[in-house]
Amino acid sequence: EPEVTQTPSHQVTQMGQEVILRCVPISNHLYFYWYRQILGQKVEFLVSFYNNEISEKSEIFDDQFSVERPDGSNFTLKIRSTKLEDSAMYFCASSEEGQRNTEAFFGQGTRLTVV
Amino acid sequence: AQSVTQLGSHVSVSEGALVLLRCNYSSSVPPYLFWYVQYPNQGLQLLLKYTTGATLVKGINGFEAEFKKSETSFHLTKPSAHMSDAAEYFCAVSDKIAGGYQKVTFGTGTKLQVIP
Repeated sequence: EPEVTQTPSHQVTQMGQEVILRCVPISNHLYFYWYRQILGQKVEFLVSFYNNEISEKSEIFDDQFSVERPDGSNFTLKIRSTKLEDSAMYFCASSEEGQRNTEAFFGQGTRLTVV
Repeated sequence: AQSVTQLGSHVSVSEGALVLLRCNYSSSVPPYLFWYVQYPNQGLQLLLKYTTGATLVKGINGFEAEFKKSETSFHLTKPSAHMSDAAEYFCAVSDKIAGGYQKVTFGTGTKLQVIP
């Protein structure tokens, strides 16, 4: 069964360092998303991406964050200068269409720990 | 904006007992509702979804949920809990955002513990 894969599963980084979280969406999907879940809190929408551009971003997704689809398969989330409060589980998701009733398939997540 | 509220951050049931996880939603448009499950150290897996049509939807692993518009609820049930059901369950609603793209808004989650 096709699935969204994320690497690494766990990343520890020092405050102020740049991190890149990687995702391989399902191959025929056209819509890509990043969500995050701070420990003990709800899963929150960060950004959606379609046709090589951001279609929507939340207030969390400030200038420290960027997304890119560097090639035909990968979808990355970059945090330029990490802060302690960026520690969270980051989920990548993809969907075949962007309609509300379309299922978004989620990856297993990358746990980011900023020390 | 749409939202979901899950009552009870932790629910414990005995193996074989009924599982009932509560979810209420708020929506200005007909809602599209989902339940996701997250097993330890794993990603989010779709259990079931309601978009249109039959209000009782069946999902994987014997779970089902009923959309009740009058109560703005979408509670998740399973007649008989199994040890393997221990996980965290998220109710979610799908919103349409600028540009027409989907955004999923999640509830805070309910951790289900199954007692042998």
